[in-house]
Amino acid sequence: NAGVMQNPRHLVRRRGQEARLRCSPVKGHSHVYWYRQLPEEGLKFMVYLQKENIIDESGMPKERFSAEFPKEGPSILRIQQVVRGDSAAYFCASSPETGGTDTQYFGPGTRLTVL
Amino acid sequence: KQEVTQIPAALSVPEGENLVLNCSFTDSAIYNLQWFRQDPGKGLTSLLLIQSSQREQTSGRLNASLDKSSGRSTLYIAASQPGDSATYLCAAHGGKLIFGQGTELSVKP
Repeated sequence: NAGVMQNPRHLVRRRGQEARLRCSPVKGHSHVYWYRQLPEEGLKFMVYLQKENIIDESGMPKERFSAEFPKEGPSILRIQQVVRGDSAAYFCASSPETGGTDTQYFGPGTRLTVL
Repeated sequence: KQEVTQIPAALSVPEGENLVLNCSFTDSAIYNLQWFRQDPGKGLTSLLLIQSSQREQTSGRLNASLDKSSGRSTLYIAASQPGDSATYLCAAHGGKLIFGQGTELSVKP
């Protein structure tokens, strides 16, 4: 059974470029969550998505960040015009069809470095 | 607004000791509480999940308790080993996971 897959594992971008982070949930899971771990800080919730719907984006910065989870394919977290402060580890998690009360299974993360 | 606090921030113990990690949360309206382990530069490994209706869960040398009324959870590790060295995170789930800052555990041989 494949767990949550994230790619790339490491991503280097220069200031002003775009970063696209991909997350493939556990097969059969329709709930995806994105979290960010800034250096020397804890994990912070960003966004919760179900297929084709954003359920809760209360942790997402208002500008430059967007997320989607299309009917087919992985969930994408997109960061436009990256700045040095975006350097962090971005983790994706998924949970089963039964809803948000279940265990969340985490991927290995994408470590974004902005030069 | 849910806030999760973990004490201590760091802990160093000799091998073989039993230890307790503490987690407190401000909003008792949670679905469950989850304990994770994170090794340096790695992702999160789920250790134990306690549903809001449960009082404790056990897995091997690990035992986690939950007291919703007081907003507290503890993770008990028995007979600690150097391989237990990692950062331990607790997270309260009320629709999304709210994490504590973690306890960095070092078990010395």
